[in-house]
Amino acid sequence: AQSVTQLDSQVPVFEEAPVELRCNYSSSVSVYLFWYVQYPNQGLQLLLKYLSGSTLVESINGFEAEFNKSQTSFHLRKPSVHISDTAEYFCAVSFNNDMRFGAGTRLTVKP
Amino acid sequence: DAEITQSPRHKITETGRQVTLACHQTWNHNNMFWYRQDLGHGLRLIHYSYGVQDTNKGEVSDGYSVSRSNTEDLPLTLESAASSQTSVYFCASSDRTGRYNEQFFGPGTRLTVL
Repeated sequence: AQSVTQLDSQVPVFEEAPVELRCNYSSSVSVYLFWYVQYPNQGLQLLLKYLSGSTLVESINGFEAEFNKSQTSFHLRKPSVHISDTAEYFCAVSFNNDMRFGAGTRLTVKP
Repeated sequence: DAEITQSPRHKITETGRQVTLACHQTWNHNNMFWYRQDLGHGLRLIHYSYGVQDTNKGEVSDGYSVSRSNTEDLPLTLESAASSQTSVYFCASSDRTGRYNEQFFGPGTRLTVL
């Protein structure tokens, strides 16, 4: 079975600083990888996904994640964060219809 | 636009009562899922369905049941609510024909069991 570990439960950063949210997974088969974002009092929204092809995937709001098969990682990065990026971020892995989520990383961007 | 709705958005109930949380999607997706979200645990799968009349247990199914009588709805029932079931519940759906299993989430229901 697949599993996901998000290495940081909370990440506080200052506005305009870079950020990396770490995600490692374990699986004996090839999987699809996702990052979801949850803003306060809302449901989860897909941020970006890796299905195949280029190992670097980008979102429309400046986030990117790189699939590293040898390290079984899918870390999320942004070079300069905004106050509006404050949210909970979930890494997820999927194979067939089985999707597993990490425990989440709360990103807090301070002015 | 297609969407997933959940009702109620907030619910307070007492221990031992039966509670049903509604989930309705207009994506025409075959797959539907119920998760609970608790601090430190992320999202944990309760039940899921791959189509009408199909239901399956997830990781934390004890004390919960679902039924799927049509494509659009997957109600979640707590047969006898317990304080340990105080949580935020999310419904999600995905398209069986989409191999990539992207799930679309509802806004959540915050349930408090006193």
